[in-house]
Amino acid sequence: EPEVTQTPSHQVTQMGQEVILRCVPISNHLYFYWYRQILGQKVEFLVSFYNNEISEKSEIFDDQFSVERPDGSNFTLKIRSTKLEDSAMYFCASREGTAYGYTFGSGTRLTVV
Amino acid sequence: AQSVTQLGSHVSVSEGALVLLRCNYSSSVPPYLFWYVQYPNQGLQLLLKYTTGATLVKGINGFEAEFKKSETSFHLTKPSAHMSDAAEYFCAVSEGGADGLTFGKGTHLIIQP
Repeated sequence: EPEVTQTPSHQVTQMGQEVILRCVPISNHLYFYWYRQILGQKVEFLVSFYNNEISEKSEIFDDQFSVERPDGSNFTLKIRSTKLEDSAMYFCASREGTAYGYTFGSGTRLTVV
Repeated sequence: AQSVTQLGSHVSVSEGALVLLRCNYSSSVPPYLFWYVQYPNQGLQLLLKYTTGATLVKGINGFEAEFKKSETSFHLTKPSAHMSDAAEYFCAVSEGGADGLTFGKGTHLIIQP
């Protein structure tokens, strides 16, 4: 079964450093998403991406965050200057169309120290 | 804006007993509704979804859910719990299009032997 692949599975970074989280969505999917889950809390929507542009973003997704689809396969989330409160599990998701379910990756656990 | 309420942060049932996890939603448009399961240190796996059509939807692992518009509910059930069902369960809503998901806070399902 096709999978959404996220790398790395765990990343530790110093506060103030830039970090890039990488995702390879399922190849025929058209809609791409990033979510985060702070430890013990619910999953929160960050941003959706369709047709090479952001289609929706939450209030969490401020100027420190950016997304990119640099080629036909990767989808990245960049955090420009990480803060302690950015420590969370970050999930990438994709889906084929608007009536389809969202397929999630296994996540990247980001720890900011 | 949509929202999801999951009643009961923890639900405990005996092995073989009925599982009922409650989810109520609010949405300004006809919603798309989802249940996801998360096992420890893993990603989110889609159990089932409702978009349009039949209001009783069947998912994987013997789970099903019924969309009740009048009650704004989408409760998840399974006739007979198995030890392997122990996990965190998340109800989520989308208002369609490219929108991301809004998740509930999750229900931790505990299965007693």
